[in-house]
Amino acid sequence: DAGVIQSPRHEVTEMGQEVTLRCKPISGHDYLFWYRQTMMRGLELLIYFNNNVPIDDSGMPEDRFSAKMPNASFSTLKIQPSEPRDSAVYFCASSFTAGGNTIYFGEGSWLTVV
Amino acid sequence: GQQVMQIPQYQHVQEGEDFTTYCNSSTTLSNIQWYKQRPGGHPVFLIQLVKSGEVKKQKRLTFQFGEAKKNSSLHITATQTTDVGTYFCAGLPLNSGYSTLTFGKGTMLLVSP
Repeated sequence: DAGVIQSPRHEVTEMGQEVTLRCKPISGHDYLFWYRQTMMRGLELLIYFNNNVPIDDSGMPEDRFSAKMPNASFSTLKIQPSEPRDSAVYFCASSFTAGGNTIYFGEGSWLTVV
Repeated sequence: GQQVMQIPQYQHVQEGEDFTTYCNSSTTLSNIQWYKQRPGGHPVFLIQLVKSGEVKKQKRLTFQFGEAKKNSSLHITATQTTDVGTYFCAGLPLNSGYSTLTFGKGTMLLVSP
């Protein structure tokens, strides 16, 4: 299996621009997670889906952030408009069942907003 | 909500020294998992502990789950430079229903040759 695939791997954008991060989970996994990692805040869960349905988005920092999962093999995390404080590594991850089973992380999207 | 605390936040050891990181949960856990993240990499699953008092070993790594299922530890014997990285624990609350793992903030390990 190719694992969780994220794109882009690196993005540098100007403040105010829209950013779209993409994720393809491992085939057969029914949970998909979006995490954000910074030195200050560590690894934060932003939102997770089960069978393409958003279950908990309480970690989404504000309305500028939105996530969708139109089908079992694709998800997006969008930031509009982006701000410098959004600079972080964004990880997509998937698992077969929430919690009890292993969470497989993608390699991350490194976002810098200048 | 549930909180998972890890200590220390950071540790720098000489190669060959031992290392231990501790994980404490504010609530009783159904299970706990440990992940390792190499510098510039992504978290990778190491192990899962489920039973009260459980001890598991992976070569030089020893993982323990407390009797009360609220704490856990990871001990590395005779560290090597390949052990460098951040170690995260992640716990699932007992009777959590529709929930997911809560990650600690991690312990960053630096090993000098």
